[in-house]
Amino acid sequence: GEDVEQSLFLSVREGDSSVINCTYTDSSSTYLYWYKQEPGAGLQLLTYIFSNMDMKQDQRLTVLLNKKDKHLSLRIADTQTGDSAIYFCADTSGGSYIPTFGRGTSLIVHP
Amino acid sequence: NAGVMQNPRHLVRRRGQEARLRCSPMKGHSHVYWYRQLPEEGLKFMVYLQKENIIDESGMPKERFSAEFPKEGPSILRIQQVVRGDSAAYFCASSGLAGGTDTQYFGPGTRLTVL
Repeated sequence: GEDVEQSLFLSVREGDSSVINCTYTDSSSTYLYWYKQEPGAGLQLLTYIFSNMDMKQDQRLTVLLNKKDKHLSLRIADTQTGDSAIYFCADTSGGSYIPTFGRGTSLIVHP
Repeated sequence: NAGVMQNPRHLVRRRGQEARLRCSPMKGHSHVYWYRQLPEEGLKFMVYLQKENIIDESGMPKERFSAEFPKEGPSILRIQQVVRGDSAAYFCASSGLAGGTDTQYFGPGTRLTVL
């Protein structure tokens, strides 16, 4: 079945850029999402990209999509301690309304 | 501008008891989705409901689990005769439209602990 893979941990220094990577297997993916989950909280939608786009930028966030390699990334510029959270990649495909989630990447920002 | 609300936020049950989890969707949303998150795992889809209808329950365990979304009131996820393996965070999401064109907004979750 469909699979979404992410690395489990990323540690960065405050002020540096963070890049969180995600790969997916379904070539018919239509929407790809990044969600943020802070400790003890629900998922907050950060941004999403439609599959016919290569890039989307929203303030400190840049999403890059490489459809050929089925690779999605989230770049956070000037990472702050408040960015420490788990980041989930997800996609929907083939007209399905149900996103498939990765296991999440724990971003740790240290001073 | 209330978002998706879930209660209780934390629920402790002993093995064999029943757990009832409630979800009130965002105002104006008529589509509700339930997900389960096991420790250190991503969210797994359980069930999708519209008012008074179950649209897709392909992710629901066949026994002990049920869900409803009545005409009035919140959506309820009910787990009968809970076992330790049911311990997880249960998240509800809502959307205004079905399909990938309308984003799902998540509630804060209910963390169920089965002793």
